[in-house]
Amino acid sequence: EAGVAQSPRYKIIEKRQSVAFWCNPISGHATLYWYQQILGQGPKLLIQFQNNGVVDDSQLPKDRFSAERLKGVDSTLKIQPAKLEDSAVYLCASSRTGEGNQPQHFGDGTRLSIL
Amino acid sequence: KQEVTQIPAALSVPEGENLVLNCSFTDSAIYNLQWFRQDPGKGLTSLLLIQSSQREQTSGRLNASLDKSSGRSTLYIAASQPGDSATYLCAVTDFNKFYFGSGTKLNVKP
Repeated sequence: EAGVAQSPRYKIIEKRQSVAFWCNPISGHATLYWYQQILGQGPKLLIQFQNNGVVDDSQLPKDRFSAERLKGVDSTLKIQPAKLEDSAVYLCASSRTGEGNQPQHFGDGTRLSIL
Repeated sequence: KQEVTQIPAALSVPEGENLVLNCSFTDSAIYNLQWFRQDPGKGLTSLLLIQSSQREQTSGRLNASLDKSSGRSTLYIAASQPGDSATYLCAVTDFNKFYFGSGTKLNVKP
């Protein structure tokens, strides 16, 4: 089966600019996750979708970050305006049901650099 | 709040050595524990998933154990190879939320 697809792979922008990332999960996976991984740290969950509804966005900086999952398939994550501390790898993952006994499958991520 | 710690942060071993990576967590009320591998510039690849009712899981040269009562898990890698060089992360789940450690960066020298 095809894996989780993310684009772009790399993005360089200046602070205060906006940026968007795209994710297409594994076909049939109901749950989609966006993580932020800062260099040297483990991934931190930003937002979790179950189909097209938000399950958890408690760690999403809502003043600058937004995400949507229209039609319950692919998803976009947007940052506007970007800050220097947003430099990180943004990982998308999906799982079949979202229950803890289901493994998460990760994409290769988008590496964001803020100048 | 669940805290996951991995020690050591980095490890360098000669090829062929058996090694153990450690993961500890503060809240024993977990649903399961998962070990991942992350290669540079790549996402995470799931290696082993241990349900809370299990004590260990094995896959090839990898063996992961879980002791919920003490809040610990170990990943044992037998006969290490240079291709095992990567960062290894553990994550615990409380039903549907994953909590990740910061990983152990492993370097296996030829």
